[in-house]
Amino acid sequence: AQSVTQLGSHVSVSEGALVLLRCNYSSSVPPYLFWYVQYPNQGLQLLLKYTTGATLVKGINGFEAEFKKSETSFHLTKPSAHMSDAAEYFCAVSEKGAGSYQLTFGKGTKLSVIP
Amino acid sequence: GAVVSQHPSWVICKSGTSVKIECRSLDFQATTMFWYRQFPKQSLMLMATSNEGSKATYEQGVEKDKFLINHASLTLSTLTVTSAHPEDSSFYICSVRGVSQPQHFGDGTRLSIL
Repeated sequence: AQSVTQLGSHVSVSEGALVLLRCNYSSSVPPYLFWYVQYPNQGLQLLLKYTTGATLVKGINGFEAEFKKSETSFHLTKPSAHMSDAAEYFCAVSEKGAGSYQLTFGKGTKLSVIP
Repeated sequence: GAVVSQHPSWVICKSGTSVKIECRSLDFQATTMFWYRQFPKQSLMLMATSNEGSKATYEQGVEKDKFLINHASLTLSTLTVTSAHPEDSSFYICSVRGVSQPQHFGDGTRLSIL
């Protein structure tokens, strides 16, 4: 069974500061890993994903994440926070080879950006 | 542009009525569609998975007769909340996936039962 743990349900950063949202996963097989962003009253938008290959993945809006197998982590970072980054962020895992490729989501981290 | 169209975006109705939510895949044939439910300040909980032409597979604890899912074509799935009650009030989100496609999500439907 797969699971995702997001450390910190709420993270606040100053505008221009580094954004670091933590995600650890557990999976019995090599995983696919995802980060999604959700704005109020909207669905989820894919920020980036890791499937195979390069472990440092770049996504939209300046975000990137690094897959670290030894640490079972997939933390999301952005060098400089912008006010428009304020949203809810979800880390998700999907097991490679699973019949239905179901996503399992973490509980989410709400990012607040302070002017 | 949007990959998934979910309609309506907001529904308010009386207790006991049935509500239908549509989910359309706009850019590709969705071999699999997912329905999620999200409670305030919580993550998405998968309700069911459906493949075109097949019966939906429901997650444990989700009532099949309460939440009717019809995946009529490769571009359309509907979720009908039957005899809705206040406890069914929630944010419902559909998601679609095609061959060699990641999951794309609709913008969600906020359902409020009075």
